[in-house]
Parts: sequence; C-alpha cells; structure tokens
Amino acid sequence: EAQVTQNPRYLITVTGKKLTVTCSQNMNHEYMSWYRQDPGLGLRQIYYSMNVEVTDKGDVPEGYKVSRKEKRNFPLILESPSPNQTSLYFCASSGTDWGETQYFGPGTRLLVL
Amino acid sequence: GQQLNQSPQSMFIQEGEDVSMNCTSSSIFNTWLWYKQDPGEGPVLLIALYKAGELTSNGRLTAQFGITRKDSFLNISASIPSDVGIYFCAATRNQGGKLIFGQGTELSVKP
Repeated sequence: EAQVTQNPRYLITVTGKKLTVTCSQNMNHEYMSWYRQDPGLGLRQIYYSMNVEVTDKGDVPEGYKVSRKEKRNFPLILESPSPNQTSLYFCASSGTDWGETQYFGPGTRLLVL
Repeated sequence: GQQLNQSPQSMFIQEGEDVSMNCTSSSIFNTWLWYKQDPGEGPVLLIALYKAGELTSNGRLTAQFGITRKDSFLNISASIPSDVGIYFCAATRNQGGKLIFGQGTELSVKP
C-alpha cells in the first residue's frame, strides 16, 4: 500500500530538548516536504527536498533542520524546540512535482512546554 | 513571506447549494492547486492548474487559474454532506519549488 508514515504521532516535550520526527515513503518519490499547520494560518512549508542530498527552505524554516540521505526518508529535526513550535506537522511526498498527487502522512501533533 | 489570501474563511450552506471560494495574491504563480482536508487527515489534492486561464473540472468541482496568474477560484456544484471539510488553495512558481498555501475555507453542509 502506497503510504507516507510519520513517527511519533503525538509528542509532548520541553523547551530545548532536541527531537526528531521521522518521515518515510514507500513510493520511490523524489519530492518530499514538511509542513506545519496552525489554526487560521493554513499549512506552511518548512523545508522541501527534490532528491537525495537536495533540500531547500520553505516559508518557515527557522528553528528546523532536515536531511535527505536516502530517497525514502526525510526526518525533521528540532535542535532546540520552543513553545512557538507547538503545532501539527505533516510530511508529504510526490513523484516529480507538487502538481502530481502529493501524499500526506497522518500528521504529528507536537506540544512544547 | 509570500501570502495567499483565501476567502471566505468559512461557509455554512444547505445541501444542494453551489459553493464558490477564491484565492488571491500580490505575486505571480505558475501553478495553482486546490486541496481538501478531512478532520484528522492530511490534505488531498483535488485539482491542479498549470496555465493562465485554464478551467479544469473534477466531478462537481471546477477550478480556474486566473489570467493575471495572481488568483484562482474553486466552485463546488450541488453540494452534499461529504463535501464538509477544509479547502486549501496552494501555489508555486516552480513546479518543484516552494509551495505556499492559503489559510483555508472551512465548509459546513447542512442536510
């Protein structure tokens, strides 16, 4: 079954404690992306990747890091989380560009205390 | 950063009514996309538009890419209860580049 998986689904942490949210897709997609969703703001792109070792900043990259060492995985790293990073995070992938069907993961709800 | 202004923010309509929502920007984009998000799920792509002036349908949904490249609209005809959800526009200058989303239109349909 074609899918994008994210882990963990829910996470409560404290300010400053480094965390990683994993994302994996099984469709051999080139494009992957991370978004955060906040009420009234829609989805905002954090980082995206067009292929292995190729990443670029989205609209709100501050406070986040990503890596794309393998095609299937695109982890999101928060080196020093802060309360304003409390949000719902989605990972997504698509074949060649955003106009193709972009498959979204189930979301990770993060609370930073 | 760049912004897409989506309106209305929410709509409450009766089953069977037509719905229209739109997205505008001060910037030019080369691709416009419309997504729907059901509660607890990630967004799902409904329609992709690649050319200025393009009008594309997907069942009861019709979307248009504005001539100025700065706007797009989505129409839903004869709404049904399963149309309930949040609809997002999104746009990009390069098909694989940065993707900007609107704030969303929350649609409620009364049976």
